[in-house]
Amino acid sequence: DAGITQSPRHKVTETGTPVTLRCHQTENHRYMYWYRQDPGHGLRLIHYSYGVKDTDKGEVSDGYSVSRSKTEDFLLTLESATSSQTSVYFCAISGTGHNSPLHFGNGTRLTVT
Amino acid sequence: KQEVTQIPAALSVPEGENLVLNCSFTDSAIYNLQWFRQDPGKGLTSLLLIQSSQREQTSGRLNASLDKSSGRSTLYIAASQPGDSATYLCAVGLSFGNEKLTFGTGTRLTIIP
Repeated sequence: DAGITQSPRHKVTETGTPVTLRCHQTENHRYMYWYRQDPGHGLRLIHYSYGVKDTDKGEVSDGYSVSRSKTEDFLLTLESATSSQTSVYFCAISGTGHNSPLHFGNGTRLTVT
Repeated sequence: KQEVTQIPAALSVPEGENLVLNCSFTDSAIYNLQWFRQDPGKGLTSLLLIQSSQREQTSGRLNASLDKSSGRSTLYIAASQPGDSATYLCAVGLSFGNEKLTFGTGTRLTIIP
């Protein structure tokens, strides 16, 4: 497995509370991504990063923010969690070469009650 | 907007059979196509990546083909084993950079011993 660790693995939180998910990599890859996976939908990109302090929005970025202060860490924050953000969140990384495949962490299952 | 379809959503086959999984996409101007497997409760594992200039890629018992003109890719699994049971997803890239990937919803494969 690529060296990607997501924490926490499971979290239950209440509507309106802030939540931060962490992704840590040991591969020194430049690119990092946050996806969400929901039944009936393919994986959808939330935000991605192409370097320290360099981030951009994905397809479903509303309600989420990210930060990357070190190469190895990429944080996803839900400023005020809503029930629609109940999902499984995956972090992924890839290298800089052309046609570099994605490598995924094992996910964080988030439930917003 | 690129749409990626994987039919059937679920498939069961006896152990030892050869099988084909399908991936269809609507925009043929792709950059690459990736196949992943996902085990329950886990992240996605990269299996094969086919560049737009390639017709197929092989890894062990797996062979992925790409026909851009017809908007199709297939994943062929030879001599299936119970350990092959998983959900298989394809993802189509429209340009350089994994932030442009569009994922299918996957085919859940069960190999019956």
